[in-house]
Amino acid sequence: GEDVEQSLFLSVREGDSSVINCTYTDSSSTYLYWYKQEPGAGLQLLTYIFSNMDMKQDQRLTVLLNKKDKHLSLRIADTQTGDSAIYFCAESFSGGYNKLIFGAGTRLAVHP
Amino acid sequence: KAGVTQTPRYLIKTRGQQVTLSCSPISGHRSVSWYQQTPGQGLQFLFEYFSETQRNKGNFPGRFSGRQFSNSRSEMNVSTLELGDSALYLCASSSSEMNTEAFFGQGTRLTVV
Repeated sequence: GEDVEQSLFLSVREGDSSVINCTYTDSSSTYLYWYKQEPGAGLQLLTYIFSNMDMKQDQRLTVLLNKKDKHLSLRIADTQTGDSAIYFCAESFSGGYNKLIFGAGTRLAVHP
Repeated sequence: KAGVTQTPRYLIKTRGQQVTLSCSPISGHRSVSWYQQTPGQGLQFLFEYFSETQRNKGNFPGRFSGRQFSNSRSEMNVSTLELGDSALYLCASSSSEMNTEAFFGQGTRLTVV
């Protein structure tokens, strides 16, 4: 079935690294995505990874994918107060066209 | 390149009324998807259109419908509004037929009173 799970809350100190975790159940996942949502705004696509990749790095963002455990993580290096937001993990899957299944979102709070 | 444009941004309607929301995708994108976001249920897929054809539909009642025009703009309609339809409705635009980046608009905040 289609299910994506995330922890709901993460608090980090400014300058530290943040790691947001996600697990999914659909073995036919094709792409896995990370979106950011700030208050009152839509979803901003941060990065995505193809399901046959293990890692993708994009500036301060590193995505790790463990396909065997169906585990995805997003690491944000040198976390800043502007990174405070809700982060959503999402998957697309074979036969689903452009349908995305989202997790509940992880609220990241960055404090000085 | 302009992003995804959703109109209106905010809407207040009364129970029993109907509402139409609009989404203009990124120029050249032919796929438009709609999502409902609520605090209780999170982000849920409503439907997806590609080249004026609905290809995929989520688990929502028939009161929720949509369409796509030849210029790829899409509308969604909710009839006989209920209090539980209050939500942020998000539209996503994708360039190709499947499994690519989806870019979201700012959403339409619908409040049903």
